[in-house]
Amino acid sequence: GAVVSQHPSRVICKSGTSVKIECRSLDFQATTMFWYRQFPKQSLMLMATSNEGSKATYEQGVEKDKFLINHASLTLSTLTVTSAHPEDSSFYICSATGDTYEQYFGPGTRLTVT
Amino acid sequence: QKEVEQNSGPLSVPEGAIASLNCTYSDRGSQSFFWYRQYSGKSPELIMFIYSNGDKEDGRFTAQLNKASQYVSLLIRDSQPSDSATYLCAVSPMRAGGTSYGKLTFGQGTILTVHP
Repeated sequence: GAVVSQHPSRVICKSGTSVKIECRSLDFQATTMFWYRQFPKQSLMLMATSNEGSKATYEQGVEKDKFLINHASLTLSTLTVTSAHPEDSSFYICSATGDTYEQYFGPGTRLTVT
Repeated sequence: QKEVEQNSGPLSVPEGAIASLNCTYSDRGSQSFFWYRQYSGKSPELIMFIYSNGDKEDGRFTAQLNKASQYVSLLIRDSQPSDSATYLCAVSPMRAGGTSYGKLTFGQGTILTVHP
């Protein structure tokens, strides 16, 4: 099956700094990538949808200036959490779709802001 | 009202029993329905999808869809301790036939525990 990777798997940063998370489709071209956030004991909440070469579409309530998404190629999307605060601590998961219907999920990135 | 609702559980069943997981959704325009399994600290993995009314079987798993009742369920036969996980129901407004199911809306998940 299709493989999606994320890097880093875990990151700890200080409040006020920025963190970049990479999402890569390893063996297929991802026309669309999705970014989710999951707080403990809660479900996945879609943050934004990104298509290669165009601006991301953010869900209601998600600050686009705080969560910068770049989908510069068919195999890479990045999420940058700018000026991170402790309330941004969460599990960030990306998924990608290519020519098939299925969304392939990455392994997730655990962000802790101290 | 939540768009996708699941009983958060925990649901506890003995090994070898049938586990029944339920999900209701509010958007009648929903076309495709998914069950994901998520182990603690891991990302979701797809178990099954269904988009036609009725039952769909895959090994020990059976998904059931009733669009009139806006209800989808997952049955796990011969439950094993390794099935212990959180099961997420997700719905999409798009139907198979396109190139993507588009946005998925997830329920809050049901915690399943299978005890030996």
